[in-house]
Amino acid sequence: DTEVTQTPKHLVMGMTNKKSLKCEQHMGHRAMYWYKQKAKKPPELMFVYSYEKLSINESVPSRFSPECPNSSLLNLHLHALQPEDSALYLCASSQDGTDLRGYTFGSGTRLTVV
Amino acid sequence: AQTVTQSQPEMSVQEAETVTLSCTYDTSENNYYLFWYKQPPSRQMILVIRQEAYKQQNATENRFSVNFQKAAKSFSLKISDSQLGDTAMYFCAFMKREYGNKLVFGAGTILRVKS
Repeated sequence: DTEVTQTPKHLVMGMTNKKSLKCEQHMGHRAMYWYKQKAKKPPELMFVYSYEKLSINESVPSRFSPECPNSSLLNLHLHALQPEDSALYLCASSQDGTDLRGYTFGSGTRLTVV
Repeated sequence: AQTVTQSQPEMSVQEAETVTLSCTYDTSENNYYLFWYKQPPSRQMILVIRQEAYKQQNATENRFSVNFQKAAKSFSLKISDSQLGDTAMYFCAFMKREYGNKLVFGAGTILRVKS
């Protein structure tokens, strides 16, 4: 299995809702990442987990809460989002936090906040 | 600070022809990797090709090849025999060496292949 699987593919939520994005990989990778991507822009790093521990938080607002319950699973919990948070959320993984060979990306969750 | 610059916001090419996308980067590090990622309308970010900075030989993957000029900090992507399926956003990216390695992207180039 050489894939990163993200669910759901599309999500529409209200500003008072609580929802979660899920990311899963079974490649034995020990580093996992969340990126946010606006239309026609490059992805922007949000969080990095290495060996299930949060190693980088790029000053992301607290309404985004990451969780890494095990080495294969990465969640992003969403609460009280704003319309400007509407974007494509990409998950990625790599062998570990020192691997320079690049990431494997999922196909993303398209989030719309109404 | 490390930056990646793609100076061509959009490009188009006729099917079967060759196109080159440009990328320059800035770093003070000696050991790093450079990448080209492709993002078609399906939005999956796909690794096209990668180059290790300490390797002189330019990387190739089938119809895709790079021209890596380390001294000039230039990393261009050449697509030969362009196909309609090559239509996508192409991102040049640089891997930053720190704990929890960071992939730094350029602004992207939209490539349209015309029939």
